[in-house]
Amino acid sequence: GAVVSQHPSRVICKSGTSVKIECRSLDFQATTMFWYRQFPKKSLMLMATSNEGSKATYEQGVEKDKFLINHASLTLSTLTVTSAHPEDSSFYICSAIRAGGPDTQYFGPGTRLTVL
Amino acid sequence: KQEVTQIPAALSVPEGENLVLNCSFTDSAIYNLQWFRQDPGKGLTSLLLIQSSQREQTSGRLNASLDKSSGRSTLYIAASQPGDSATYLCAGGETGANNLFFGTGTRLTVIP
Repeated sequence: GAVVSQHPSRVICKSGTSVKIECRSLDFQATTMFWYRQFPKKSLMLMATSNEGSKATYEQGVEKDKFLINHASLTLSTLTVTSAHPEDSSFYICSAIRAGGPDTQYFGPGTRLTVL
Repeated sequence: KQEVTQIPAALSVPEGENLVLNCSFTDSAIYNLQWFRQDPGKGLTSLLLIQSSQREQTSGRLNASLDKSSGRSTLYIAASQPGDSATYLCAGGETGANNLFFGTGTRLTVIP
């Protein structure tokens, strides 16, 4: 199988605080991970592409200083929402591509972030 | 940039009925087309992946087709069940890249 986990599954924080979301590939190595964001009734939007050992590539309109991505190992990528504001409240989903495998993306279960 | 559209936004059918979900995309140079299922508040479950060289893929009661020339993909669900109720998303993969362009989804309700 190809299982991707995310932690936490749900987080509520106060405005101005920072929140870290972890994305792990449990049974495979992933050289590339993706971070998506989904607002209510909207489609998933790619935020950034995370490559192990290098800087993430951010999509246009995504603030790299606000959404810090670290992909320090072949099984873990983290997304840190810095100085979170209510407008950052969203559903964040990561996906991973198996190293050396086809381009199938395996998705995590998502993290619901609510900023008060 | 690839644009993906799904119509209708919502669909209700009685249990047992066969149904088709539609997905259209603007760039025929699509790399692959995936169909996903999303349950409320949950992550995505990949249903079917069609490579650009393929015309269709089947898994159980699901059949997905891809017509690059017309920019369309369909997801056929046979003998629908209440457990099929979810939002179905299609996503087009870009040639030479790994990111996906998602449609806004079709919310399916199967009425017992």
